[in-house]
Amino acid sequence: DAGITQSPRHKVTETGTPVTLRCHQTENHRYMYWYRQDPGHGLRLIHYSYGVKDTDKGEVSDGYSVSRSKTEDFLLTLESATSSQTSVYFCAISGTGPRTRPTEAFFGQGTRLTVV
Amino acid sequence: RKEVEQDPGPFNVPEGATVAFNCTYSNSASQSFFWYRQDCRKEPKLLMSVYSSGNEDGRFTAQLNRASQYISLLIRDSKLSDSATYLCVVSDYGGATNKLIFGTGTLLAVQP
Repeated sequence: DAGITQSPRHKVTETGTPVTLRCHQTENHRYMYWYRQDPGHGLRLIHYSYGVKDTDKGEVSDGYSVSRSKTEDFLLTLESATSSQTSVYFCAISGTGPRTRPTEAFFGQGTRLTVV
Repeated sequence: RKEVEQDPGPFNVPEGATVAFNCTYSNSASQSFFWYRQDCRKEPKLLMSVYSSGNEDGRFTAQLNRASQYISLLIRDSKLSDSATYLCVVSDYGGATNKLIFGTGTLLAVQP
């Protein structure tokens, strides 16, 4: 299995509190992603990173920020959690192959976040 | 229009059946394509990459049609253990960036 871990695995928090989810990889892969998964919506990209301090928004980035200060860690922060951010969050990593073509993505086990 | 679209199903098929899933994508510049499998409450896992020439892995065959911008997955001789959600994934990369866009998934239920 790819070396990717998410923490925490489960979290319950109150509306209005800040929350940070951590994704840690040991593969030295270039790309890292944060997705959320909700019934009927599949996996939706929140933010992704293509290098240290290089990030870009996905389709559902409002209310989320990210940081990547070193290759192995990608943090997702909910500045002020809302009930609509209750979801399962997945981190993924992918590398580069021949001619810098991206390789397939590997996923962490997910973080189940409940905002009450 | 969504960037990647799949029929959500569910597809209910008997053991031994052949089932096909299709996926369409909107960005004609997309470069790489994959099928993932996701079991209930688990993380998605790579099933197979999709190459322009088509590729096969045991009972699974993937095809890419760039002109029509769709990807297909064929599963032959379905097993109970094939029951899962199948996700189509499109990679849009250029320069330094690489976005992986997922379809909403197609649920397969193989019945005994």
